Amino acid sequence: GESVGLHLPTLSVQEGDNSIINCAYSNSASDYFIWYKQESGKGPQFIIDIRSNMDKRQGQRVTVLLNKTVKHLSLQIAATQPGDSAVYFCAENMSGYSTLTFGKGTMLLVSP
Amino acid sequence: NAGVTQTPKFQVLKTGQSMTLQCAQDMNHEYMSWYRQDPGMGLRLIHYSVGAGITDQGEVPNGYNVSRSTTEDFPLRLLSAAPSQTSVYFCASSTLDPNTEAFFGQGTRLTVV
Repeated sequence: GESVGLHLPTLSVQEGDNSIINCAYSNSASDYFIWYKQESGKGPQFIIDIRSNMDKRQGQRVTVLLNKTVKHLSLQIAATQPGDSAVYFCAENMSGYSTLTFGKGTMLLVSP
Repeated sequence: NAGVTQTPKFQVLKTGQSMTLQCAQDMNHEYMSWYRQDPGMGLRLIHYSVGAGITDQGEVPNGYNVSRSTTEDFPLRLLSAAPSQTSVYFCASSTLDPNTEAFFGQGTRLTVV
């Protein structure tokens, strides 16, 4: 809900712009990364994932980039739409059993 | 497809009361977990389970109990609620493949007064 967005970094863009959301992860041994989207009042929804043996993966309007050297992950959203407004979380897997560790999130606000 | 179902969606408790948050999944996933979400804190892992009869603690387990008697259900119990447990709680499930996403329920918003 709205309370999730308090104190979060916020990215404000205009409709049609490209958006880039960044995430620094903590463990160099992490080998699987996911981006989730969370709309107000809902649970996180899977957007795209990437394994550590890749540095780029593309989906529909979204691209994830992985830089293992600096432990950095980014999510690029092309032609951002008002429906993309949400909180975006990166998550990393540091164990063998899908135990995901989440970043604190970034709020994306898209103006028409 | 129901996916992950959490009940209730909203709950208000008085300090010291107990309650159980329910979570059920219909995807035959072995792995289930509970997270809490607080403003500016992201999602933090409370407890998780890799299969029926097996549970383990996450990052913030104090004040919470879990059990896993069936593959489908993973209830979270608060034995004596405290205001610090006011939060939004999410249940998630996945396969045991570490390279696969977790599916989340819609959340339970709990307020302890």
